[in-house]
Amino acid sequence: GESVGLHLPTLSVQEGDNSIINCAYSNSASDYFIWYKQESGKGPQFIIDIRSNMDKRQGQRVTVLLNKTVKHLSLQIAATQPGDSAVYFCAENVGAGSYQLTFGKGTKLSVIP
Amino acid sequence: EAGVVQSPRYKIIEKKQPVAFWCNPISGHNTLYWYLQNLGQGPELLIRYENEEAVDDSQLPKDRFSAERLKGVDSTLKIQPAELGDSAVYLCASSLDQSGLAFFGQGTRLTVV
Repeated sequence: GESVGLHLPTLSVQEGDNSIINCAYSNSASDYFIWYKQESGKGPQFIIDIRSNMDKRQGQRVTVLLNKTVKHLSLQIAATQPGDSAVYFCAENVGAGSYQLTFGKGTKLSVIP
Repeated sequence: EAGVVQSPRYKIIEKKQPVAFWCNPISGHNTLYWYLQNLGQGPELLIRYENEEAVDDSQLPKDRFSAERLKGVDSTLKIQPAELGDSAVYLCASSLDQSGLAFFGQGTRLTVV
């Protein structure tokens, strides 16, 4: 289940199950969103992105859903594997000449073998 | 293709000492970013370059931090003098255009003692 830890929300899932990581973004003018995966000691790694003219986008084992009405973004990982254990960040780009990514707080995903 | 390269990976210095970080972006990427990441937090933008021009440095503490990207490729970020609160991971990222999709380096973990 999902719980709020001292620093990061943590999601623990059984290997093979599907994971859903949620993100609430702040700016209704944001028009571009990115999910990053960050493993310990490494920089954020691009997973998938979506523009505001789309509601859903699929990649390999990952799906991003965008609900602009409630300013909510989710990342679904199918058949979660131990290698998926990491911190996941959503980032929004306000656009309109901003070109700046604003990152959310992050969610730590722990996969139980 | 090589990703964003940063050096050093780790740096430990005493407070009040200077420190510099180096970044080599992905070849052909005109936009370069320096981000600061505190433990348990998402990256926060310090400065963004378009070629050799710093186009957004509003979050850079200019009393002690400086950056340069002289030939529009490599960049350095300097802190002088360092303070205990500067301990963090300093991330460099680059993007091909101004879409906001940034690719990150491994980061430099700075510890100020």
